[in-house]
Amino acid sequence: SQQGEEDPQALSIQEGENATMNCSYKTSINNLQWYRQNSGRGLVHLILIRSNEREKHSGRLRVTLDTSKKSSSLLITASRAADTASYFCAATGNQFYFGTGTSLTVIP
Amino acid sequence: NAGVMQNPRHLVRRRGQEARLRCSPMKGHSHVYWYRQLPEEGLKFMVYLQKENIIDESGMPKERFSAEFPKEGPSILRIQQVVRGDSAAYFCASSRWDSSYNEQFFGPGTRLTVL
Repeated sequence: SQQGEEDPQALSIQEGENATMNCSYKTSINNLQWYRQNSGRGLVHLILIRSNEREKHSGRLRVTLDTSKKSSSLLITASRAADTASYFCAATGNQFYFGTGTSLTVIP
Repeated sequence: NAGVMQNPRHLVRRRGQEARLRCSPMKGHSHVYWYRQLPEEGLKFMVYLQKENIIDESGMPKERFSAEFPKEGPSILRIQQVVRGDSAAYFCASSRWDSSYNEQFFGPGTRLTVL
């Protein structure tokens, strides 16, 4: 089974609200990465958090990592319609595993 | 600096034909990864290659699928005798170093349709 599992599978919010997505994984990792995929497109790297980090910010993105719970969360603040996409977490250890993604819809 | 290039972007094959998907990594990247994304699903790792070496092919189906990354030229994912279940988007990614520690950069994908 996949190492990275996102929750929820789908999320719909109003523009301006915050969106939180969670990811769980199963074994030890070197880092955890979040990617975005617009419909029918390739993936874009958003942010990488290393296993010895607990929180990281990049613009409107905030990522947390709890290695004791083997989980991570991605927070997008002040969402925009352009944030509508699927978001994947990738647990990176000896191999590279993607979760099934969270489909985010931001309603204008 | 051009990003990861994949071609063709769309490929249509009839059952039993061969599909060849090409991936040119970013300049300076010597690590290539192939992923398959079935409709409405996440990405699944297939194979990890360095120049002239297959490092990890644990995600590759045992039959009909092969991959190579020659010293010169793009990486090739080859699917022989395609079946309808092979219809999917195939993404290639590259990284400068071992992606255990660094991000991968993805290509736009090749969408394979098997009739």
